[in-house]
Parts: sequence; C-alpha cells; structure tokens
Amino acid sequence: DVVLTQSPLSLPVTLGQPASISCRSSQSLVHSNGNTYLNWFRQRPGQSPRRLIYMVSNRDSGVPDRFSGSGSGTDFTLNITRVEADDVGLYYCMQGTHWPTFGQGTKLEIK
Amino acid sequence: EVQLVESGGGLVQPGGSLRLSCAVSRFTFSNYWMTWVRQTPGKGLEFVANIDRDGSVKNYVDSVKGRFTISRDNARNSLFLQMNSLRAEDTAVYFCARDPGSSAFDLWGQGTVVTVS
Repeated sequence: DVVLTQSPLSLPVTLGQPASISCRSSQSLVHSNGNTYLNWFRQRPGQSPRRLIYMVSNRDSGVPDRFSGSGSGTDFTLNITRVEADDVGLYYCMQGTHWPTFGQGTKLEIK
Repeated sequence: EVQLVESGGGLVQPGGSLRLSCAVSRFTFSNYWMTWVRQTPGKGLEFVANIDRDGSVKNYVDSVKGRFTISRDNARNSLFLQMNSLRAEDTAVYFCARDPGSSAFDLWGQGTVVTVS
C-alpha cells in the first residue's frame, strides 16, 4: 500500500500567521490517466472529516481562499496563509490514485 | 442539506456480528460509489470497503475480507456494512462517505462507534 507521511505531526501557529503541512508519498500519485488524486481533509474535534482540497489544488465549495494545495508526484503541501481560530483541527492528506490511504494526521493548534 | 446518517454501532463480543446502516438524503444515491472508512486512535483513518453504483463491484481491505460485506439498496437510499466474526481490532468509529470518483470522499456521515470487547 502507498504510505503517506505527513509533517509536522503537531503544528502550533500564532493567529494570523501562515501554516504549511507536508505530505510525502511512498509512490508517485500520478494516475495512468494523467490525473493526481491527492486530497486534503480537516477533522474538527468530535466531527467527521471534511474535504478541503481535491486533486492536489482544487478547493471545495465554501473553503476560504486562505487554503491552497500544491505539489506533484510524491510531494504535496497544504498551505494556510493566515491562520484563524476556526482552523484548529486534525489535517489529513489522502490519496485515491492507488488503493486509498490516509496520512497519519497533523494537529493544528493555536499558540 | 445533503446528509449521510450512520446507525447500528454498539458493543459486541469478539466473534459477534453487527450491521451498520447509512441513510442518505438530498442527493441521487444511485449516481455514486459509496465507501466505509473507519478511524481508530492507533491506526488513524482506514478505508474499509467500497461499492459501485449498482452494487455489482465491491472492494475490501484485506483485514476484513471474508468477514465484512458491503451492500446497498438504491430504492431505500441506504448503504450497509454487515460485520461478522468481529475482532477487538475492528473497534473504531465507522464513517460512510460518498465517492464522486477516484476515492474523493466529498461527503461524510457523523460516524457510528463499534466496540468489540
């Protein structure tokens, strides 16, 4: 199975400052059709995951443009330009190119 | 509002069975693949099984093959997971999720807790 390794696992951020989460894959996530199926989710305490970004860089409806995804091949990044209190939670990358797997999660908290 | 609502979780002894249900509303259920994902503190999020639009294609993670069966009833807008021969390691929160394609999981239920002990 494809292993997704996120870093850091814990991310304390000052309000208004940027944040960045890395997701590295053990295999290329480029599908044979040319697409890359790498998604990002946020899970708030006591809630189910919510998709934020799909296919590397496409924001879901209602997701603020403070959130952006980038990367290719095996290296991907989720960036938040200015962290707000509402952004607290666990962030997961997840790939659907191969048998679906998730990263181990990054806990974003406010400093 | 589009909704997925799981039910059927609970406490069961090792070797026992449970049937999870996921009732969906406000979208055309039969147009989507559907998935069960589980979450544990130790292993995080794990894909369990998925099913195609008409129920003819089913996939399972190796650890549940032969024990779990995913099914759906498009007339009742419902997804199911029959879990037999349950083990302690099946203890988790089970989520149903909608898959618009390539395991994109764009919509999740609130989850149902399964405890095998």
